[in-house]
Amino acid sequence: GDSVTQMEGPVTLSEEAFLTINCTYTATGYPSLFWYVQYPGEGLQLLLKATKADDKGSNKGFEATYRKETTSFHLEKGSVQVSDSAVYFCALSSGQGGKLIFGQGTELSVKP
Amino acid sequence: GAVVSQHPSRVICKSGTSVKIECRSLDFQATTMFWYRQFPKQSLMLMATSNEGSKATYEQGVEKDKFLINHASLTLSTLTVTSAHPEDSSFYICSALAGGSAGELFFGEGSRLTVL
Repeated sequence: GDSVTQMEGPVTLSEEAFLTINCTYTATGYPSLFWYVQYPGEGLQLLLKATKADDKGSNKGFEATYRKETTSFHLEKGSVQVSDSAVYFCALSSGQGGKLIFGQGTELSVKP
Repeated sequence: GAVVSQHPSRVICKSGTSVKIECRSLDFQATTMFWYRQFPKQSLMLMATSNEGSKATYEQGVEKDKFLINHASLTLSTLTVTSAHPEDSSFYICSALAGGSAGELFFGEGSRLTVL
């Protein structure tokens, strides 16, 4: 079945460092790919998405490119801030009416 | 943006009792809602799809008699954990689909259940 694999956390970075969180997927067909963020004490929020190969999703300085050839959707940010500390989830949808399959989440901690 | 609210955010109960968790879409109608379970340091596991006016669709391995789902209106779905046991302790999260099957998902804040 479909699945999503993320790099394990926690990831600890200093402010203004470069961030990469790896995400790879296995799916039949052509899924849509998502990154969600969960700040402490809050629900999940959609950070960005891409619906087809070579699409780049971007939001709040974060970017991820849908790479079909490597089945990847790595999350990047050029300069992280303390406020980016959160848990990040990669997810895919195969179009079954909103049904999402999540990766295990990666906790990011940014130190001043 | 759209808001989904869960209640209660935390609940502690005794083993053998039943607990109901509500999921409400506050500013949109949701014919479809989803219930997830999240274990510490682990991913969200989809438990069931809740459809307004019909029976929920449960994922493989999820006991439908244990986790009762009711989606009686376009803005409310409830999850009842029946005869709860300590192994049912977890973080339960709902999401609601806005704008039809191709719409956007919005997540509740989650409900932490602790069974003593």
